[in-house]
Amino acid sequence: AQKITQTQPGMFVQEKEAVTLDCTYDTSDPSYGLFWYKQPSSGEMIFLIYQGSYDQQNATEGRYSLNFQKARKSANLVISASQLGDSAMYFCAMREARGAGSYQLTFGKGTKLSVIP
Amino acid sequence: SQTIHQWPATLVQPVGSPLSLECTVEGTSNPNLYWYRQAAGRGLQLLFYSVGIGQISSEVPQNLSASRPQDRQFILSSKKLLLSDSGFYLCAWSVSLRRTEAFFGQGTRLTVV
Repeated sequence: AQKITQTQPGMFVQEKEAVTLDCTYDTSDPSYGLFWYKQPSSGEMIFLIYQGSYDQQNATEGRYSLNFQKARKSANLVISASQLGDSAMYFCAMREARGAGSYQLTFGKGTKLSVIP
Repeated sequence: SQTIHQWPATLVQPVGSPLSLECTVEGTSNPNLYWYRQAAGRGLQLLFYSVGIGQISSEVPQNLSASRPQDRQFILSSKKLLLSDSGFYLCAWSVSLRRTEAFFGQGTRLTVV
């Protein structure tokens, strides 16, 4: 079974509008972390935002916020005031314990966001 | 500040040839190091990770191997490349994934012909 599910292969948003990228996860580790990365066409992976499973408040970083609904096991990324430079692939990832003090980062298949001028 | 270098950026290799991709991290000690592969239009698949010199864990059986000869150096290798080895390879490091994110290199686009 997939541990990270991103159900939107592609999304379009009008410039200056807000957009929500969906992510659901599955884990039995009580102490997990959730990450969002942006991958522009150049290929580099850029860290955007992090949410820990015990964090009480939703994470925010500038125009990025994470809508964390623990009971639903969802961690949606919200981008406010979209810009043309936001066009990229977006990956949701989860960190969970593997045992012996090591951790694994598992990625979803990504959502391609296209910002329309 | 910490930086991660990965090279080459692009590589075209014939089937059956060897492979060596190198990744180095600067500005930190004893990082956790990772090799990921991204097939076209897909997410990232963890190939190997290392928590210290000479300590390599493999995630999936494959035609590739990894080595960590120095604290901040991580090498991805193959003795004989297959067509299915084509993809985008990313090296990453983290202090600890427990509370910090992984930082990625620029990636290597490998095409096996």
